[in-house]
Amino acid sequence: GQQVMQIPQYQHVQEGEDFTTYCNSSTTLSNIQWYKQRPGGHPVFLIQLVKSGEVKKQKRLTFQFGEAKKNSSLHITATQTTDVGTYFCAGPSNTNTGNQFYFGTGTSLTVIP
Amino acid sequence: DGGITQSPKYLFRKEGQNVTLSCEQNLNHDAMYWYRQDPGQGLRLIYYSQIVNDFQKGDIAEGYSVSREKKESFPLTVTSAQKNPTAFYLCASSMLRGRSNQPQHFGDGTRLSIL
Repeated sequence: GQQVMQIPQYQHVQEGEDFTTYCNSSTTLSNIQWYKQRPGGHPVFLIQLVKSGEVKKQKRLTFQFGEAKKNSSLHITATQTTDVGTYFCAGPSNTNTGNQFYFGTGTSLTVIP
Repeated sequence: DGGITQSPKYLFRKEGQNVTLSCEQNLNHDAMYWYRQDPGQGLRLIYYSQIVNDFQKGDIAEGYSVSREKKESFPLTVTSAQKNPTAFYLCASSMLRGRSNQPQHFGDGTRLSIL
């Protein structure tokens, strides 16, 4: 079946270090979304990537969609304690009859002050 | 403010009991979703609905039921057939624009535990 895998599952970094999470799909994706969930909170939409090789930036966050549209990455430069949370990627269903997404397992980021 | 409201925030279920989780949105979104999140895991889709009076099973629909009688409301019932219901339940909604995927907006969730 369709799968969206994320690595690593957990990441601890010192404040100021960089962080990257990777998302891999077993099938080609028409687009990919990224969400952030703070501890005890709910997922919040960050960004959507649509084009092959697309790169988008949001301040210290850089999102990339692979050329083959089967993988994506989120890179955070110079992490801050406000970056703590779990980052999920989500890819649309193959059937795509509506707006159904498969969420990755997430990467939990801990930032040590 | 527009948003999604889930209630209750915490819920306890006894053996053999059905419980219903509420989800209401005032964003005028067509699509609504229910996800289950277990500790340290991602979101798994239970049910989703694109239009009133219609809904589709997700990957883990067994032991759950839903209804969509109004555009704003998408309640989830956890039945006694769901043997491991302890989890964090998230409701979401989104617009539908043809085949273009839209961001999902989430409620604050309901934590369900077994007594």
